[in-house]
Amino acid sequence: DAGVTQSPTHLIKTRGQQVTLRCSPKSGHDTVSWYQQALGQGPQFIFQYYEEEERQRGNFPDRFSGHQFPNYSSELNVNALLLGDSALYLCASSLVGAGSRAGRSNIQYFGAGTRLSVL
Amino acid sequence: AQSVTQLGSHVSVSEGALVLLRCNYSSSVPPYLFWYVQYPNQGLQLLLKYTTGATLVKGINGFEAEFKKSETSFHLTKPSAHMSDAAEYFCAVTYSGAGSYQLTFGKGTKLSVIP
Repeated sequence: DAGVTQSPTHLIKTRGQQVTLRCSPKSGHDTVSWYQQALGQGPQFIFQYYEEEERQRGNFPDRFSGHQFPNYSSELNVNALLLGDSALYLCASSLVGAGSRAGRSNIQYFGAGTRLSVL
Repeated sequence: AQSVTQLGSHVSVSEGALVLLRCNYSSSVPPYLFWYVQYPNQGLQLLLKYTTGATLVKGINGFEAEFKKSETSFHLTKPSAHMSDAAEYFCAVTYSGAGSYQLTFGKGTKLSVIP
């Protein structure tokens, strides 16, 4: 049973560029959340996708956008990169959608992350 | 709004000694609480969770935590530290109400184990 997978593992970009990060959720999960973890900090919630729509968003600018595909995988896009966007980007999946109440869970399982460096 | 405070950004213990990592939360509604562990250059691994029911919860690798509503705390303990426990530990909170999607994390506590 594959867990949450993220690609690429590392990425180097320059200021002003755009980047796309990818995430495949754990088998059976329908919801994907994205977090930014700056060096020495705890993860900060960016947004969550369910049924291909953004369901909740943290305090991040519009330069951060996302998408969820019919197979539940997700992308995080960041435009006009700033030096301050350098961080570990974590994807987490969960089963939160409609259906059996027993299947619902607020438990999020994390991938290994994508380390983005902006020069 | 919910928040998490982890007391002590760095904790050092001797191998075999008690591990105690502190977490206090703020939530206006009943919380769901989690402890995650992060090894260097890796993602987060769930150690244990509290949702409802028994307030003393057991997790992987011999860790446990107790939910104390009166103290708004969810401290993580392990009776005997092992070298492999050296890592960073994050406490996180969400809540049980509708719309409770995001996890709010503390800043983390880095645990060092001295041989």
